[in-house]
Amino acid sequence: SQTIHQWPATLVQPVGSPLSLECTVEGTSNPNLYWYRQAAGRGLQLLFYSVGIGQISSEVPQNLSASRPQDRQFILSSKKLLLSDSGFYLCAWEGLPGGSGYGYTFGSGTRLTVV
Amino acid sequence: GDSVTQMEGPVTLSEEAFLTINCTYTATGYPSLFWYVQYPGEGLQLLLKATKADDKGSNKGFEATYRKETTSFHLEKGSVQVSDSAVYFCALSPFTGGGNKLTFGTGTQLKVEL
Repeated sequence: SQTIHQWPATLVQPVGSPLSLECTVEGTSNPNLYWYRQAAGRGLQLLFYSVGIGQISSEVPQNLSASRPQDRQFILSSKKLLLSDSGFYLCAWEGLPGGSGYGYTFGSGTRLTVV
Repeated sequence: GDSVTQMEGPVTLSEEAFLTINCTYTATGYPSLFWYVQYPGEGLQLLLKATKADDKGSNKGFEATYRKETTSFHLEKGSVQVSDSAVYFCALSPFTGGGNKLTFGTGTQLKVEL
């Protein structure tokens, strides 16, 4: 069955430091992948999505970037973190485990605190 | 563009009370509709979905019906439990194909008390 993994679960980073969050999907090929951010007390904002290796679409101009170096790997990065980058980051795969119809499956999330 | 509007929270209910969380949407075409649930400190879990008009999604006692005439997808449960306390997100996807962006409502926090 298909699964999505995201790490780390929690991260505390100083302002100005780099960031790398990783998301991988198992059990499927050529998945559509998404990065969302949830700021404290707010809804989910789509940051990036990818429909294939090296194909990245950005939704919101910001201090972050994304890369898709392998078919089932999606990475969220920053060269220099800002305080405003704090939030809960979620990776999503456009699919459901076991092929149970259409939908999206989310990773367990990374809680990033920039100090 | 596509948008989803949810009722403001928090919603506080006593155990065994009836729950309704309103959700309306704006979209062109025929979107798929979803309800996701987020328990404290966790990611999002798909609760239920509907992919065409008049479909009813159901799971764990929760139900929602895709109403195209009122562009709504209200979440209901007949008898809530303390374990249902979470944040609920309504969302839509514009197509049933690939590379579609999921648009979320702002979420509604539900608190169920004994």
